[in-house]
Amino acid sequence: GIQVEQSPPDLILQEGANSTLRCNFSDSVNNLQWFHQNPWGQLINLFYIPSGTKQNGRLSATTVATERYSLLYISSSQTTDSGVYFCAVRNYGGSQGNLIFGKGTKLSVKP
Amino acid sequence: DVKVTQSSRYLVKRTGEKVFLECVQDMDHENMFWYRQDPGLGLRLIYFSYDVKMKEKGDIPEGYSVSREKKERFSLILESASTNQTSMYLCASTHGTGFYEQYFGPGTRLTVT
Repeated sequence: GIQVEQSPPDLILQEGANSTLRCNFSDSVNNLQWFHQNPWGQLINLFYIPSGTKQNGRLSATTVATERYSLLYISSSQTTDSGVYFCAVRNYGGSQGNLIFGKGTKLSVKP
Repeated sequence: DVKVTQSSRYLVKRTGEKVFLECVQDMDHENMFWYRQDPGLGLRLIYFSYDVKMKEKGDIPEGYSVSREKKERFSLILESASTNQTSMYLCASTHGTGFYEQYFGPGTRLTVT
């Protein structure tokens, strides 16, 4: 099946710093989402981005589908950005309709 | 806004008990999913449903069953809970065949003692 790799696995930032999280996937996809899992365990939708670029406030994302990667940019990080960021994909031909998740990037933003 | 709700945030059950986890979505989504999340193993699909009374096994269905009697509600059933089913359970829903954004509920942390 499709493989999803996220890097880095852990990231520690000082408040105000910028960061880039990467997601590589091993096959063509028709769905790619970025999530933020908060300390209570809820997955918060950040972006639905199977291709192209989107921005939402301090966050933006770019997916280059032909090269099989996506990037999540966080600018001027805040302590509330801490948590685990997941990339999840669904590939063409996937019969179940579910998302395949990467292992996540754990982000800690220090004040 | 899409809303997916789950019946409990935290649940503690004893080994052998029958456990029901309920999920409700308010966006008329056809597809609903149950995942479990464990440290080091990530999120794994247990069951999914693409229509009322329809269900399909995911990657780890053993020890679980599901019920979808109404479009908005998808229940996960642990027939006889075991300690290895202690986990975080996440419900999700989406339109159609996977080309749409998937939304998750807040999760249920289940502990089986």
